[in-house]
Amino acid sequence: QVQLQESGPGLVKPSQTLSLTCTVSGGSVSSGGYYWSWIRQPAGKGLEWIGRLYTSGSTYYNPSLKSRVTISVDTSKNQFSLKLTSVTAADTAVYYCARDVFYTSGSPGWFDPWGQGTLVTVSS
Amino acid sequence: DIQMTQSPSSLSASVGDRVTITCRASQTISSYLHWYQQKPGKAPKLLIHAASSLQGGVPSRFSGSGSGTDFTLTISSLQPEDFATYFCQQSYSPPPTFGGGTKVEIK
Repeated sequence: QVQLQESGPGLVKPSQTLSLTCTVSGGSVSSGGYYWSWIRQPAGKGLEWIGRLYTSGSTYYNPSLKSRVTISVDTSKNQFSLKLTSVTAADTAVYYCARDVFYTSGSPGWFDPWGQGTLVTVSS
Repeated sequence: DIQMTQSPSSLSASVGDRVTITCRASQTISSYLHWYQQKPGKAPKLLIHAASSLQGGVPSRFSGSGSGTDFTLTISSLQPEDFATYFCQQSYSPPPTFGGGTKVEIK
């Protein structure tokens, strides 16, 4: 079964770039029919979708973060990555990667499975 | 963005109780509605997709219903392992958005 695991620094200074990687095991990030997403959750708060990527390289970002977000894929390592620039304390959250399951019609669907999440704190 | 509103935000219930959680969308989303369970310190787990389709391996005491703007998640007989926070998510219109969550606590 597919498993995802996030990795990256747990502490980032304000104004710097947050960089995380999601490693996919038990399946291929190149598998057709799936997108791959990043989602975050500030402590004690709800979930916010950041963006998604298809193995063709197509990306779609949340308009609220679009100017600061880049999601990319490394098929040779079976990984996809998140970069978020110019971070502030408001970007402190647990960051999850997840497989983005689409309907056969091509419409976006649900997230399954998710990685365990990684806490990123923005602080000097 | 489509706003998803869950109610209640929290509830207290006893083992064996029937529990119903509501999710309302700010506009029609057909059946593009999915439910997740999250336990403290863990990632969300998919329970139901497309409003009423039970994800494989999820106990049959969980069920979902609704279409349009109003949806419900029902736990027919609450078990100790069901105490958690539940989120709904719409995928009808990007960006996908989540409800604020319903925390189910032990009475």
